[in-house]
Formats: sequence, C-alpha cells, structure tokens
Amino acid sequence: AIQLTQSPSSLSASVGDRVTITCRASQGIGSNLAWYQQKPGKGPNLLIYDASSLKSGVPSRFSGSGSGTDFTLTISSLQPEDVATYFCQQFNSYPLTFGPGTKVDIK
Amino acid sequence: QVQLVESGGDLVKPGGSLRLSCAASGFSFSDYYMSWVRQAPGKGLEWVSYISESGRPIYYADSVKGRFTISRDNAKDSLYLEMNNLRAEDSAIYYCARGGSWVDYWGQGTLVTVSS
Repeated sequence: AIQLTQSPSSLSASVGDRVTITCRASQGIGSNLAWYQQKPGKGPNLLIYDASSLKSGVPSRFSGSGSGTDFTLTISSLQPEDVATYFCQQFNSYPLTFGPGTKVDIK
Repeated sequence: QVQLVESGGDLVKPGGSLRLSCAASGFSFSDYYMSWVRQAPGKGLEWVSYISESGRPIYYADSVKGRFTISRDNAKDSLYLEMNNLRAEDSAIYYCARGGSWVDYWGQGTLVTVSS
C-alpha cells in the first residue's frame, strides 16, 4: 500500500498568514491526490482533487500543487473558519490511503 | 443539495453483527460510485469499501475483507454495509461517501462501538 506522510502534524498561525502543508507519498502517484478539510465533529469536506483542481465553491485562498511524490496544500491568507484538520488522500492505486492529518489552529 | 444520511450505528459485542444504511438525496444516486470510510475516535481516515454504480466492481480493505459486505439499492437511493464478526478495532465513525477514488460529498457519520 502507498503510504502518505504529512508535515507538520500541527501548526499555529495568525489570521492572514500564508500556511503550507506538505504531503509525501511513498511512491509516485502522478497527480492522483486529493485534500480534505475536517472540522471537529463533522465529516470531511473535499477541497482539492487531481492535486491542484479546486472543488467548486471552495474559497480561492486554498490551492494545491505537486506531482509524483511531493504535494502541498496552501492557504494564502488564513481565516478563523479554516481551523480544522487537513488530510491528503491518494487515489492512484488500491487500497486508497490517507495521510495522518495536519491540525491547523489560530495563534 | 447533496445529502448523505447514515444510520444503524450502535454498541455491539465482539463477534456481533450490524447493518449500516445510508440514505442519499439531491443527486442521481445510480450514476455514482459510493464508498464507506471510517475513522476511529481521534484517529485518521481508513477507506473500507466502495461499490460501482451497477454493483460491480466492489472493493474491500484487507482489514474487513470476508467480514463486511457492501451493497446498494438504486431504486431506494440507498447504500448499505453489512458488518459481521465485529472486532474492537472496527470501532469507529463510519461515513457514507460519494465517489470511488476521491470523495466529493460525505455524510455526518454513524458511530459503531464494539465492546463487551
């Protein structure tokens, strides 16, 4: 199975800061990566698919990049409502796997 | 709007069985792959199973293969997960999810607790 690692595991940033989360795959997965946001007590929400395609309705401050083994999720200007845990997920091969998550909060 | 509403979660003893249901609305259910994804309390996400629009192909994670059965009823816009021989490590929130590669809509989840 393809393993996904995320860094950092948690971060604290100020409102308006640029935030970057990294996801690394144990082998190349092309652009077959999605990013999700999960708020406490809720199911996850899709933000990005195909590594860089923004889901309709997701604020444009979210962006994704990368291919192969290294990927990033960027929040260009952190907002209070972005406090959540962020997961990456590969869909290049089965079993589909998720990263362990990055918890983001406000400083 | 797309809605996925899970039900059936409960407290069950090890070795027991449970059937989860997911009622879908707001989209053409028969046009989409559907999946179950679970999350142990305070832990990460694990893909459990998916089923194609027609019911084949089907995928299971190794951790549940032979014990869980996914099915769907397109006439009722419903997805199911039959869980047998449950183990403590199956305890989790189970999410109904639209998609078989990435998931674009998730339900709120139903809690399954396996404990004596």
